[in-house]
Amino acid sequence: NAGVMQNPRHLVRRRGQEARLRCSPMKGHSHVYWYRQLPEEGLKFMVYLQKENIIDESGMPKERFSAEFPKEGPSILRIQQVVRGDSAAYFCASSPRQQPSGNTIYFGEGSWLTVV
Amino acid sequence: AQSVTQPDIHITVSEGASLELRCNYSYGATPYLFWYVQSPGQGLQLLLKYFSGDTLVQGIKGFEAEFKRSQSSFNLRKPSVHWSDAAEYFCAVGLQTGANNLFFGTGTRLTVIP
Repeated sequence: NAGVMQNPRHLVRRRGQEARLRCSPMKGHSHVYWYRQLPEEGLKFMVYLQKENIIDESGMPKERFSAEFPKEGPSILRIQQVVRGDSAAYFCASSPRQQPSGNTIYFGEGSWLTVV
Repeated sequence: AQSVTQPDIHITVSEGASLELRCNYSYGATPYLFWYVQSPGQGLQLLLKYFSGDTLVQGIKGFEAEFKRSQSSFNLRKPSVHWSDAAEYFCAVGLQTGANNLFFGTGTRLTVIP
């Protein structure tokens, strides 16, 4: 049973370009979470999705950031017109049921975005 | 508001010495509690978790943690540290009601010296 798969692992973008980060949850998991880790900081929640639905996007920046989890295919975190401050590690996590229910969520290995 | 505090930014211990990493949380009820470890450039690996029951929980790699309700703490311990334990350790809190996410502390970086 493969774990949470994220790609690309490393991505370099110039300011103003778009970044797309993909996440395939663990098999049997229908709940996906995106977290951002800025340098020297802990992880901060961004968005929680189920298939075709955004459940909680309270941690998403109001502009330039969007997320989706289509019926088929991976979840995608999209950052438009990237700026240097977007440089961070973006982690995806998945769970079989909704949090909080005591279930553990499992993290991917992250996507490191560098904006030059 | 919920918060997770890891008061030690960086800890250095000698190999073979004991280790305790502190974690305090602020929340009105008993939360779910987790410890994760992150090696440089890697993702997060779950060390252990507390949901209910026995307040002393055992995890992987010889780690354990004790939930102390009176102190709102969930400190991570290991009796004898190995060089391979050098990493960043994150405490996280999940709420029983309300939020759909985990709240993370800012992490403690562990350095192990020979």
